[in-house]
Parts: sequence; structure tokens; C-alpha cells
Amino acid sequence: QKEVEQNSGPLSVPEGAIASLNCTYSDRGSQSFFWYRQYSGKSPELIMFIYSNGDKEDGRFTAQLNKASQYVSLLIRDSQPSDSATYLCAVTRQGQGGKLIFGQGTELSVKP
Amino acid sequence: NAGVTQTPKFQVLKTGQSMTLQCAQDMNHNSMYWYRQDPGMGLRLIYYSASEGTTDKGEVPNGYNVSRLNKREFSLRLESAAPSQTSVYFCASSDRGTSYNEQFFGPGTRLTVL
Repeated sequence: QKEVEQNSGPLSVPEGAIASLNCTYSDRGSQSFFWYRQYSGKSPELIMFIYSNGDKEDGRFTAQLNKASQYVSLLIRDSQPSDSATYLCAVTRQGQGGKLIFGQGTELSVKP
Repeated sequence: NAGVTQTPKFQVLKTGQSMTLQCAQDMNHNSMYWYRQDPGMGLRLIYYSASEGTTDKGEVPNGYNVSRLNKREFSLRLESAAPSQTSVYFCASSDRGTSYNEQFFGPGTRLTVL
């Protein structure tokens, strides 16, 4: 079992819809959870991070963390074609020098 | 601020050749990281440097060496390149090597080993 798992997709949603991206992790010692967006041929850029159970909202983006279920998700409201990218989930563990452990990424396609 | 810069952007090597990938950051960050990205595999950590003067192995260190030249620069060396090292290499940095610090990524180096 991979330490961080994502559905590789592609996930296709119509413009204006809510896109829901999911990530599960296996190590209960995981401490912080990051969502990076990566456009084709570009480097990852941070969208959000979360480390407490519950929801965290930033504009059209909401990250949700459930440590009991070892599950973190990213919701994108009012999806736009410019949101089409690969979304990478990453986790860190305490005392590990901030090392990120990535999932394989979910490709999102927003259709006009 | 340029952020994190990497050179070269593209490189083609023959099996057995050596090369060094350069990375520099101008954000006065303490921690630096090298990742490789292969299709369908996400990013995997090769080596990291929690602070100037220290380096540690990540998930996939075999075939690589690193040097933390100073606080700004962290280089990755392939001593004898193999086709399995064909990948996109990303350097990243963060203020401190803790669980809560965002990592900023460079533009990447696309390496092909023939």
C-alpha cells in the first residue's frame, strides 16, 4: 500500500461545478497535509495546507481533514477551465525534516 | 526575488556520463530538497538538507550525491547516469525543515539518459 494515495483520474467536471479531489494516507503519524497544483510542464505550487481536523477555506478552495479516517480532500467551487491541472496531495510527519511524501496526483479537467 | 532557480532546464546524457544539477534560492531558506518526478509516480525525495552543512538521504538516493555548497545553493550530482534516471528533477526550499513549512519549487530540469 502506498503511503499517500490519490485517484489518478482524469476527473472531468463542467465549468461552474464543484470538483472534489480525494487523498488517503496510511501513516497515523502524518502531521501536515498539503495540496499542490501542477500545470503541465510546470512546477508544483502550493494551494493550501491543513493540519487540524475540519475544514479550511481560502477563496474557492476548501481543504477538509479527517484524521480518524486518514482522509484529506480538496473542494474547488465554481470550477474554471484555468483550474485544469494535476493536483498533488502531500503529507509530512513530525521530526522528519519537513520531508514531503506525495501521492501520484489527480488530473482535473474542467470543460467549458 | 527569483525564488528557486535551477540549471540547466534540459539535458540529454549518454549512459555512463556524469553531470551536476544546480539549484539556488534567494529566500534565505534553511532547508533544501531534491525530488524526481516520473509519470504516474508523483514526486519522490532523493536527498534533502535541513540546514547548511547537513544532508540526508530521502526515498530514492541510489545513484546520486549532493552538496550543500552554502545556504543558497544545493547541487545534485549523477556520477554515472543510467536510463532509469531519465526524469524531471525539482529542487525545493523551505524556511525551516519542519512539518508546517511550505516548500517552494524551482522550474525543474528535464533529464534524458540514452
